[in-house]
Amino acid sequence: ETGVTQTPRHLVMGMTNKKSLKCEQHLGHNAMYWYKQSAKKPLELMFVYNFKEQTENNSVPSRFSPECPNSSHLFLHLHTLQPEDSALYLCASSQAAWGTGTDTQYFGPGTRLTVL
Amino acid sequence: GENVEQHPSTLSVQEGDSAVIKCTYSDSASNYFPWYKQELGKGPQLIIDIRSNVGEKKDQRIAVTLNKTAKHFSLHITETQPEDSAVYFCAAVEGGGSNYKLTFGKGTLLTVNP
Repeated sequence: ETGVTQTPRHLVMGMTNKKSLKCEQHLGHNAMYWYKQSAKKPLELMFVYNFKEQTENNSVPSRFSPECPNSSHLFLHLHTLQPEDSALYLCASSQAAWGTGTDTQYFGPGTRLTVL
Repeated sequence: GENVEQHPSTLSVQEGDSAVIKCTYSDSASNYFPWYKQELGKGPQLIIDIRSNVGEKKDQRIAVTLNKTAKHFSLHITETQPEDSAVYFCAAVEGGGSNYKLTFGKGTLLTVNP
């Protein structure tokens, strides 16, 4: 295991539902990330939090709302999603998200999201 | 921004053979190049990385080479085993400063046939 856990592992939701994805890291890191992984596309960075502050929003639609209450926990709140939002959502953490940018990112197992 | 191209998209080899996956990047300021392995049902896991001041790095059966002039880097796996079967992603980091962005290639599905 990498020290990054994600729940739930699978989620099916309707377009009008509201749900949240949870990520927790046990590595003492200060930076956390959300990625979207779709079939036949590169991993897409969505959000970056560094010391609980959001430092990156990669033009993500507002129907995705991140929350980082502390350096160990990261949430992704979902509402009024579209079928094209179905994907694997990966959380990652690293020591920090600055400097030379050579800190290794450790990934969780992901949440497989299906939007009906 | 950075753009990373990865080839091939699928690769099938016989057990014991070598496998090579190649990536190119566009941003000459990129200075860190990790490789990740993703097995079914798991998140990507770092297997090896290389920094811009090094041309080659080896870890047992895995090696990575970097050509900064040509802006390409490659993953070499020797003596492949069935457990090497997975999707492999290359990535490049866009410079440094206050942000840290990994730009990934599309991945290579490696199948090692017993």
